[in-house]
Amino acid sequence: SQKIEQNSEALNIQEGKTATLTCNYTNYSPAYLQWYRQDPGRGPVFLLLIRENEKEKRKERLKVTFDTTLKQSLFHITASQPADSATYLCAGYGNNRLAFGKGNQVVVIP
Amino acid sequence: DTGVSQDPRHKITKRGQNVTFRCDPISEHNRLYWYRQTLGQGPEFLTYFQNEAQLEKSRLLSDRFSAERPKGSFSTLEIQRTEQGDSAMYLCASSPREQVLNYGYTFGSGTRLTVV
Repeated sequence: SQKIEQNSEALNIQEGKTATLTCNYTNYSPAYLQWYRQDPGRGPVFLLLIRENEKEKRKERLKVTFDTTLKQSLFHITASQPADSATYLCAGYGNNRLAFGKGNQVVVIP
Repeated sequence: DTGVSQDPRHKITKRGQNVTFRCDPISEHNRLYWYRQTLGQGPEFLTYFQNEAQLEKSRLLSDRFSAERPKGSFSTLEIQRTEQGDSAMYLCASSPREQVLNYGYTFGSGTRLTVV
């Protein structure tokens, strides 16, 4: 079955550093990958997407890459701030819907 | 339009009771999705509608679950004879079909169900 895998361990990072999260997919080829932010008790909020024919996408301090050979996407938060502390979800689009990974918790330490 | 609304935000019910949740999507979005999320997990797909037509249901959705979207506007998700394993956050999301490849889903804040 379609699977999106994220390392479920929390990432603790010092303010100002770059946080990097990994998303791997198996058993399908998503047309695009999306990244969401989720705060406790809230629904996910869309951040950005990257298509399979795009190598890299940027939005403000966020950068996403898509490597179809490795079947992997990397998500970077540069110059991280305490307000970036949240869970980040990777999702792959295929068969008319999104399949989500478990998410990665990021904690930015002041 | 203030986004996707879900009601109630929290629901505590006794095992065996029926519950119904409501979702009001963004008015111009013709696609509506239901997901379920348990602690420490990502959202799991349950079902989706395009306008009033329910186009797909996950195998996760047992016979006790039913969803409707009359007139292609709001949607309801009903769980009959609730079990403790149904305890989860139920998330609704909407998107415009024509732009689904350009924009993400807009999620509501979810309904937290606790079955005791």
